[in-house]
Amino acid sequence: AQKVTQAQTEISVVEKEDVTLDCVYETRDTTYYLFWYKQPPSGELVFLIRRNSFDEQNEISGRYSWNFQKSTSSFNFTITASQVVDSAVYFCALRSVQGGSEKLVFGKGTKLTVNP
Amino acid sequence: DSGVTQTPKHLITATGQRVTLRCSPRSGDLSVYWYQQSLDQGLQFLIQYYNGEERAKGNILERFSAQQFPDLHSELNLSSLELGDSALYFCASSALEYTDTQYFGPGTRLTVL
Repeated sequence: AQKVTQAQTEISVVEKEDVTLDCVYETRDTTYYLFWYKQPPSGELVFLIRRNSFDEQNEISGRYSWNFQKSTSSFNFTITASQVVDSAVYFCALRSVQGGSEKLVFGKGTKLTVNP
Repeated sequence: DSGVTQTPKHLITATGQRVTLRCSPRSGDLSVYWYQQSLDQGLQFLIQYYNGEERAKGNILERFSAQQFPDLHSELNLSSLELGDSALYFCASSALEYTDTQYFGPGTRLTVL
């Protein structure tokens, strides 16, 4: 079975602090994709990043960075110098290529509040 | 803007009623997915269509059904509505069946009174 665990339900930081959102996944498949989505207060789900299981290279995009470690089945997301606009719920998701279904399995999400 | 559109944005109805949610995928995307987001269940996959054919089913109730039309837009039909069906319903689309990213629409917030 596939599972995504985001152990941090809520995180509150002060602007300019760095914050890391944890994501641990479970799958028996050798080929899979990991995603992060952002859900701001307005409600839409915004795609942030996709990683496939064969690419363990970390990625940086502006203030955002992602650390993918297959050895620990983790795909953590770090926001550097957080801003109030980063306040949102962040979801980690897993998709397996096998099994015929392309569904995304989501974690419960981490609500990030960045205070001024 | 993801390019996926959903209508209506909000829907308020009564128990026992039937509603239809509509989704237009991004231009060129053949796959459409429906998800339900509720406070207790989180984000749950409901159903997937690929180029007009049902491809996979998730935790979709028998009271719910969906279809994808020749122009690739999709509709999710919810009938005999119950209070517990109140949720945010998302549609997502992707270009390729197996390898592409799913882009989500803005969602339809359904309130059943």
